[in-house]
Amino acid sequence: NAGVMQNPRHLVRRRGQEARLRCSPMKGHSHVYWYRQLPEEGLKFMVYLQKENIIDESGMPKERFSAEFPKEGPSILRIQQVVRGDSAAYFCASSIGAQETQYFGPGTRLLVL
Amino acid sequence: DQQVKQNSPSLSVQEGRISILNCDYTNSMFDYFLWYKKYPAEGPTFLISISSIKDKNEDGRFTVFLNKSAKHLSLHIVPSQPGDSAVYFCAATIGGSQGNLIFGKGTKLSVKP
Repeated sequence: NAGVMQNPRHLVRRRGQEARLRCSPMKGHSHVYWYRQLPEEGLKFMVYLQKENIIDESGMPKERFSAEFPKEGPSILRIQQVVRGDSAAYFCASSIGAQETQYFGPGTRLLVL
Repeated sequence: DQQVKQNSPSLSVQEGRISILNCDYTNSMFDYFLWYKKYPAEGPTFLISISSIKDKNEDGRFTVFLNKSAKHLSLHIVPSQPGDSAVYFCAATIGGSQGNLIFGKGTKLSVKP
């Protein structure tokens, strides 16, 4: 029973490049959430998606960030033209329903040089 | 503006004794609270939760207490074990939906043998 999977686990990008982070939810889970953790901080909600729909993106920066969860395949968090301040751990979680427990993946650690 | 606060960045406890981790919140609309445990380089793992209609929830060695009037909750671990050493995050949400979890900054627990 595989848990939430994220890849890559570590990603290094230079300023101005694009970062693509992938999240495969647990089997049977159709709700996906993305969180960001800056050093010495708690996790900050970014976006909540259900298959093919964005439910809540109130935590997403207005520019350069986008997320999708297509009918087939993993959820993708995309960061365009990365800056040093984007360096953080990005966690994905999934749940079986909107009011069910979120299970987290191991995270992707993004480093922007 | 921190809506969920964990004022102790760290806590050290002797094996076998009780660990008490505290969490305060400011938003009276929060009605569902969760505790997550996180090891280095891993994602948070769900531990225990409590609805605002209750004041206590117990699961094995873990008990969460909620004091709504004080906007305070605590996680008790007894007896503490070295394997409990991790960062513990308190999280809260509104409306029972876990779509947007608001996390505290975490408390690092060290359980010494």
